[in-house]
Amino acid sequence: EDQVTQSPEALRLQEGESSSLNCSYTVSGLRGLFWYRQDPGKGPEFLFTLYSAGEEKEKERLKATLTKKESFLHITAPKPEDSATYLCAVPSGGYQKVTFGIGTKLQVIP
Amino acid sequence: EPEVTQTPSHQVTQMGQEVILRCVPISNHLYFYWYRQILGQKVEFLVSFYNNEISEKSEIFDDQFSVERPDGSNFTLKIRSTKLEDSAMYFCASSEALWEEQFFGPGTRLTVL
Repeated sequence: EDQVTQSPEALRLQEGESSSLNCSYTVSGLRGLFWYRQDPGKGPEFLFTLYSAGEEKEKERLKATLTKKESFLHITAPKPEDSATYLCAVPSGGYQKVTFGIGTKLQVIP
Repeated sequence: EPEVTQTPSHQVTQMGQEVILRCVPISNHLYFYWYRQILGQKVEFLVSFYNNEISEKSEIFDDQFSVERPDGSNFTLKIRSTKLEDSAMYFCASSEALWEEQFFGPGTRLTVL
């Protein structure tokens, strides 16, 4: 069964304290990996798509990387407005289904 | 910037009643999806829709659920006889192509009493 596991489930950082979130996946034939941000009571907001091992993408303080078994979301010098739940997801099943991880709830303290 | 919209934002219904959740996907997108998220749990895939038919569905999407694209812009999810456990946030999403990023709407919070 396709699985997406994210760690840690919760992370509390001081403003400016860099860290990384992990997403490990088990899927037959990776067709891409997505990172989303979700604020409380809102829909997931698309951040990145990664397609192949070694690929990296950046957006402001966020950088996503991909290996053959996991992806990392690096957050450099986070600000309080980066506080959110970060979701990792992969196409799975017949590939139109997308399987999400439980997410990492990030809190950045001023 | 184009976005997915959903109505209503919050729906309260009695157990056993039918509800219809509405979505307007991004206009040039071809693939449409419904997901649900029970409070505190992960986002779960319900169904995908392409070329006016269901292309994939999960085990959650049983006979109580149906989807329809009644015109060129709307995409609906119907739950025929709601149960308490159907209480959740329901998200609509759309994508331009297969395996590309999906863009999500703001969600409809469904409360079944």
